[in-house]
Amino acid sequence: AQTVTQSQPEMSVQEAETVTLSCTYDTSESDYYLFWYKQPPSRQMILVIRQEAYKQQNATENRFSVNFQKAAKSFSLKISDSQLGDAAMYFCAYRRGAGSYQLTFGKGTKLSVIP
Amino acid sequence: NAGVTQTPKFQVLKTGQSMTLQCAQDMNHNSMYWYRQDPGMGLRLIYYSASEGTTDKGEVPNGYNVSRLNKREFSLRLESAAPSQTSVYFCASGRDREGEQYFGPGTRLTVT
Repeated sequence: AQTVTQSQPEMSVQEAETVTLSCTYDTSESDYYLFWYKQPPSRQMILVIRQEAYKQQNATENRFSVNFQKAAKSFSLKISDSQLGDAAMYFCAYRRGAGSYQLTFGKGTKLSVIP
Repeated sequence: NAGVTQTPKFQVLKTGQSMTLQCAQDMNHNSMYWYRQDPGMGLRLIYYSASEGTTDKGEVPNGYNVSRLNKREFSLRLESAAPSQTSVYFCASGRDREGEQYFGPGTRLTVT
């Protein structure tokens, strides 16, 4: 079974600084997707960024980017120019490729942004 | 564009009572999902429906039933609620090939 591990239960960052959240996963598949979701206090789950395993190029979405290391099974999220609105729980998630539907989530990292 | 909607937002049940959580999506997605979120546990899949007319068990299906009413709607039923089912429940829908799922706002359920 696939597992997703987020080793940092809590992190903090100064406003306008950069922070990196870690995620590792375990799989024997070669075709899969990885995601970062944000859950603010409103509890809405918001998709931040996605990465296809077959793409070597790291995904970016505005201030959010990933460092995808396929051989190391590592998928970290970098948030640049941190803003107060970035304060939230962040969940890393894994899904096998075509034919599978289940998202496997890590336990989350709580990010605090210090003004 | 409403996306994924869930009702109710909050519910309190007594042990043994039944209820149905409703979910609807307007994104024309084939796949729909029910998750539960417990403190420190992340989200865990209860049931999913890959297409209209099909449903399958996820990681934690015991105590739940589901119905895929049509392409838009996917309901979750608790026949006899137990305190262990106190949780936040999320419905999601997804684009199959691209992989990502879009979530509703969640239902906070307390069973006393």
